[in-house]
Amino acid sequence: GNSVTQMEGPVTLSEEAFLTINCTYTATGYPSLFWYVQYPGEGLQLLLKATKADDKGSNKGFEATYRKETTSFHLEKGSVQVSDSAVYFCALGGGYQKVTFGTGTKLQVIP
Amino acid sequence: NAGVTQTPKFQVLKTGQSMTLQCAQDMNHNSMYWYRQDPGMGLRLIYYSASEGTTDKGEVPNGYNVSRLNKREFSLRLESAAPSQTSVYFCASSERGWGESYNEQFFGPGTRLTVL
Repeated sequence: GNSVTQMEGPVTLSEEAFLTINCTYTATGYPSLFWYVQYPGEGLQLLLKATKADDKGSNKGFEATYRKETTSFHLEKGSVQVSDSAVYFCALGGGYQKVTFGTGTKLQVIP
Repeated sequence: NAGVTQTPKFQVLKTGQSMTLQCAQDMNHNSMYWYRQDPGMGLRLIYYSASEGTTDKGEVPNGYNVSRLNKREFSLRLESAAPSQTSVYFCASSERGWGESYNEQFFGPGTRLTVL
């Protein structure tokens, strides 16, 4: 079956540091890939997505590229802010709308 | 436009009690989902409803039942709560219908349930 593996956290960075959160997947077929973000006390919300190989998703300064050859979808941001502190989930969507989520990576950005 | 709403926000139950978690969406979405979130486990799908009138089991359905009351509402019932059901429960919805390979899910704010 499908699965998503993402780096364990927590990740602690200073403001303006570079962020990478690794995500790799196993899947049959050609799933879409997502990053969701969960701010404290809230539900998840879609951060960015990529629907086919070599696509780059981007939003709010975050980027991730769908790499079929390495089965990866790593999340990056050039300069994090305190307001980026949240839990980030990598996910993939196969057929019949069943989305498989990773276990989440908590990011803490300190001033 | 409220999106996905869930009630209650918090609930404490004793072992063996029953309760229903309510979820409603106002985006005219076809599909709705119930997840539970536990530390270190990510989100696990309990049940989903691809369209009004249909429901299917997800990854962890034991101990739960669901009802897709209409297109807007999707409730989750715990008939006899157990401490293992202590979790945060999220409802979600998505626009696309059955068989689509891509959809964005919209999540509610969650219900934090403790079973003593």
